[in-house]
Amino acid sequence: EVQLVESGGGFVQPGRSLRLSCAASGFTFDDYAMHWVRQAPGKGLEWVSGINWNSGIIGYADSVRGRFTISRDNAKNSLDLQMNSLRAEDTALYYCVKDSLASGWYYFDYWGQGTLVTVSS
Amino acid sequence: IVLTQSPGTLSLSPGERATLSCRANQSVSSNYLAWYQQKPGQAPRLLIYGASSRATGIPDRFSGSGSGTDFTLTISRLEPEDFAVYYCQQYGSSPPYTFGQGTKMEIK
Repeated sequence: EVQLVESGGGFVQPGRSLRLSCAASGFTFDDYAMHWVRQAPGKGLEWVSGINWNSGIIGYADSVRGRFTISRDNAKNSLDLQMNSLRAEDTALYYCVKDSLASGWYYFDYWGQGTLVTVSS
Repeated sequence: IVLTQSPGTLSLSPGERATLSCRANQSVSSNYLAWYQQKPGQAPRLLIYGASSRATGIPDRFSGSGSGTDFTLTISRLEPEDFAVYYCQQYGSSPPYTFGQGTKMEIK
C-alpha cells in the first residue's frame, strides 16, 4: 500500500523558514517523480514544485521560485521542501504527491494527507 | 494553460446524472487531462487520466471524455458518496501544472 506521510508544518512568522518532509513507503521511491501541491484554506489546488526520479529535473511555480527548494533522498525514501522567506499567502495545507512516471510531469496517482503551514505575525 | 471548470456548483439528487465541464484556453497536448475528487477533510483522489481512462478502483459510473480544449466528467448515477469537489488538471507539458478552480457537487 502506497503511503505518503508529511511532517514539518506549523505556525511561523512572515520572513521565517520552515522545512517540510514526506516519508514514502509501499512503492519503489526512486522509480517515480514527486511533487508538492498546496491548498489554501477554502481554496483550490496549486502545484508548488516537482522533482524527477534522479533530481535531474526540478520545477517550481512562479509564486515560490527563488524562495522554496525541493529535494529528495532516494536512499531514505524521503522528499523535502525547504521554504524560506515565507509570506502570509503561503498559508496552506501542503500535500506530498506521487507522480505516475519516473521522468515526471504526468498525472498524480497518490496523495498524502497533508501538513498545515500557517504564516502569520 | 488556464483551465476553467463549470458550473462552479452543481446541485443534484442521488440517482441523477452529473456532467462537469473543463475548458482549456489552448489545446491540451495528447489529451493529458486528469480529474480528481476531493471530499471534505480528505486529500484529492485520482479518478480519470488521459481524459478518459479510469484510475484503479474507480467505479464505472465515472467516465471522462473530450479532446483538445473541451473535456467532460460524467457520473452516470450519483451515489451519496459522490458529493464532493472535482478538479481537472492538465499535465505532460513543461511545468507549472495547472488545475481548474473546481466544481462543487452538492445534494439538492
